[in-house]
Amino acid sequence: GNSVTQMEGPVTLSEEAFLTINCTYTATGYPSLFWYVQYPGEGLQLLLKATKADDKGSNKGFEATYRKETTSFHLEKGSVQVSDSAVYFCALSNSGAGSYQLTFGKGTKLSVIP
Amino acid sequence: NAGVTQTPKFRVLKTGQSMTLLCAQDMNHEYMYWYRQDPGMGLRLIHYSVGEGTTAKGEVPDGYNVSRLKKQNFLLGLESAAPSQTSVYFCASSYVGANEKLFFGSGTQLSVL
Repeated sequence: GNSVTQMEGPVTLSEEAFLTINCTYTATGYPSLFWYVQYPGEGLQLLLKATKADDKGSNKGFEATYRKETTSFHLEKGSVQVSDSAVYFCALSNSGAGSYQLTFGKGTKLSVIP
Repeated sequence: NAGVTQTPKFRVLKTGQSMTLLCAQDMNHEYMYWYRQDPGMGLRLIHYSVGEGTTAKGEVPDGYNVSRLKKQNFLLGLESAAPSQTSVYFCASSYVGANEKLFFGSGTQLSVL
């Protein structure tokens, strides 16, 4: 079956520090990969996605590259801000017919301090 | 610009009581989903619907029922609430399925005593 493993948090960084949140996956076929972000008191929002190997998703300074050889989709940002404090979820969806379900990782809470 | 709206936002139930959570979307999406979020567990799919009048079970369907009588609404029912159903419930919708962007509501925090 499908599964997503992401690094456990919480992660606390100072403003302008470099961020990496690791994510690895197990899936059959060729899944699409996603990062969703949940700000306090809100629902999840799509941050970025990649649909095939070697694709790089990017948004708001965040990047992640779909690495099929290492089954990974690590999230990175060069300089975090206090406003990036949130919970980040890695997720996958199998492409093709019947792809109704997103499989989520457990989430990584990021706190950025001034 | 409402997007996905969930009601209520908070609810406290006693064991054995019933309730219905309402999800409404104004984006004309075909697909709708109900997830629950528990600490350290991520989000788990309860039920989903691929169109008006259709529903299907997700990963953790036991103890819940759903209905999609209108395209814009997706109802989640708890017939006899149990403490194990204490959770935050999120509704989501999408146009063409999970391979594309899901739009989430802001959640319902449910406590079952």
